Amino acid sequence: DAGVTQSPTHLIKTRGQQVTLRCSPISGHKSVSWYQQVLGQGPQFIFQYYEKEERGRGNFPDRFSARQFPNYSSELNVNALLLGDSALYLCASSLGYEGRNYEQYFGPGTRLTVT
Amino acid sequence: QKEVEQDPGPLSVPEGAIVSLNCTYSNSAFQYFMWYRQYSRKGPELLMYTYSSGNKEDGRFTAQVDKSSKYISLFIRDSQPSDSATYLCASSGWAALIFGKGTTLSVSS
Repeated sequence: DAGVTQSPTHLIKTRGQQVTLRCSPISGHKSVSWYQQVLGQGPQFIFQYYEKEERGRGNFPDRFSARQFPNYSSELNVNALLLGDSALYLCASSLGYEGRNYEQYFGPGTRLTVT
Repeated sequence: QKEVEQDPGPLSVPEGAIVSLNCTYSNSAFQYFMWYRQYSRKGPELLMYTYSSGNKEDGRFTAQVDKSSKYISLFIRDSQPSDSATYLCASSGWAALIFGKGTTLSVSS
């Protein structure tokens, strides 16, 4: 079975632009989470979705938004890009959000560079 | 105080050594504990997952959780050069997985 896939792999944007990142979870997984990882730091939680509903949101500005589709894939949108948004954006999928279902598997990430 | 603390290292060991990686966490509500391995510029790979406390073993890897002291450990036996990577501990009690900064491990042959 394929793991978590993310697109695009790399992206270069200019300050003020908008970007959309995409994620397809492992088949059968209903929960998708998004994380931001800057160089030298651990991933930081942005959003979690389960069955198309937002279950959690991290300490990120409203410029960040996400949604989950009926096929459980997800998009992360970032508006009005800042230089500080340059990071590796990671998507993780899990069966659910409790107990054994909480195991989260990460994709390869999208590397966003804002110039 | 950060919710999950991890010594960033770097940690250098010879091939075959036993490696001990450690984290502490502050939130007593945390009940999910994970260890990930991340190679440079790649996504994190789930190594071990523990729900609540206790030990878990998988091949050369052993994860320990001591909820009384809020201490998480990962032991790697017979370390190999291919184990050279950044190791991330993570804890959670709800939606957000909280990560430590990661420990960079180098195993020399």
